[in-house]
Amino acid sequence: DIQMTQSPSTLSASVGERVTITCRASQSISSWLAWYQQKAGKAPKLLIYDASTLESGVPSRFSGSGSGTEFTLTISSLQPDDFATYYCQQYNGYSTFGQGTRLDIK
Amino acid sequence: QVQLQESGPGLVKPSETLSLTCTVSGGSISNYYWSWIRQVPGRGLEYIGYVYHNGNTDYNPSLESRVTISVDTSKNQFSLKLRSVTAADTAVYYCARSMLVMQWLDYWGQGTLVTGSS
Repeated sequence: DIQMTQSPSTLSASVGERVTITCRASQSISSWLAWYQQKAGKAPKLLIYDASTLESGVPSRFSGSGSGTEFTLTISSLQPDDFATYYCQQYNGYSTFGQGTRLDIK
Repeated sequence: QVQLQESGPGLVKPSETLSLTCTVSGGSISNYYWSWIRQVPGRGLEYIGYVYHNGNTDYNPSLESRVTISVDTSKNQFSLKLRSVTAADTAVYYCARSMLVMQWLDYWGQGTLVTGSS
């Protein structure tokens, strides 16, 4: 299995801040990576796929980058609705997810 | 707008079989891949497996010996069976869609909590 490691596990930030979440793969996955946002009691919501393509309807303050084994999700200016848990998913072969990054209000 | 809805018992006794159905509305089940994912409360996401509209399947190797996923195109539904349930199978189970095999998941059901307990 390809292991996905996210950092940090928890992140505290304020509205308006720029934040970055990192996802590392245990082997190269090219650009076969997606990012999801999950709020308590809800299903994950697709934000980004193929490492950097924004899903339709997702605000442009979200962006993704990276290839190979290191990827980042950046939120350029945090909004109150963005406080949630974020997961990465690799789909280079059998799909696996990162353990999640919880984004809290500072 | 495509919608997915999981249904099935919320409580399954140890050693018995967990059975869930996902009903797809607002679109056809054809030409897509349909997956099951689970999330142990407070933990991350685990991919269980998928079925294509033609019945082709693939499963997480760690669960493969206990899992069957099937599709019923006439009802626009697909199903999950997980045999020999234990407490470790207690999780929220989600169904989801992708356009290609092992790809990003663009539509998800709301999830259903299944508890393995007597």
